[in-house]
Amino acid sequence: VQLVESGGDLVQPGGSLRLSCVASGFTFSTYWMNWVRQAPGKGLEWVANIKQDGSVKYYMDSVKGRFTISRDNGKSSLYLQMNSLRAEDTAVYYCVGGRGWVFDAWGQGTLVTVSS
Amino acid sequence: DIVMTQSPDSLAVSLGERATINCKSSQSVLSSSANKNYLAWFQQKPGQPPKLLIYDTSTRESGVPDRFSGSGSGTDFTLTISSLQAEDVALYYCQQYLGAPITFGQGTRLEI
Repeated sequence: VQLVESGGDLVQPGGSLRLSCVASGFTFSTYWMNWVRQAPGKGLEWVANIKQDGSVKYYMDSVKGRFTISRDNGKSSLYLQMNSLRAEDTAVYYCVGGRGWVFDAWGQGTLVTVSS
Repeated sequence: DIVMTQSPDSLAVSLGERATINCKSSQSVLSSSANKNYLAWFQQKPGQPPKLLIYDTSTRESGVPDRFSGSGSGTDFTLTISSLQAEDVALYYCQQYLGAPITFGQGTRLEI
């Protein structure tokens, strides 16, 4: 099982960024997929998840209306479109796969830094 | 939202001794349909992503040593390491996945 994130970067407050995650080694289309973030030196914070067919999505309150999770099962890929970025969005973002909502597959993470 | 509170924040245990980490949820994490408490434990070492240790309160993930065990029900849960090894030094997090938002405890740092 392998999850590889990309797209992290330094961006100014109010800017946008799109994270990607490519999966291999398991049947991507059968997994709920999640984004979990970890601010520097802080704990884990779940951001959003998406059902196997993309029909159901959930978000944490502070990113609703700013972030959009999506997936392309044909490409075994997960995405996170992040708009109106704030300093408090600075974190390592992990792509996480789950059997149901059990988080059993984690990527290495990609760093998003929001700063002027 | 379900708030997860771990205790202690940090813990020092001698090699070979037992380590116990507690996790309390602000409301029940019992799934009435599955009759399971949706509580998981993760281990995170520096510079690495978290690793799933335990799910459904007490089910050990494949490949996890049997010195790790989970217990509890309702709102009170425990991760126990029966005989601490040097490689167990890490941060440990509990997590509830009964419903969205999925929430984590603040973490417990385990040291020798």
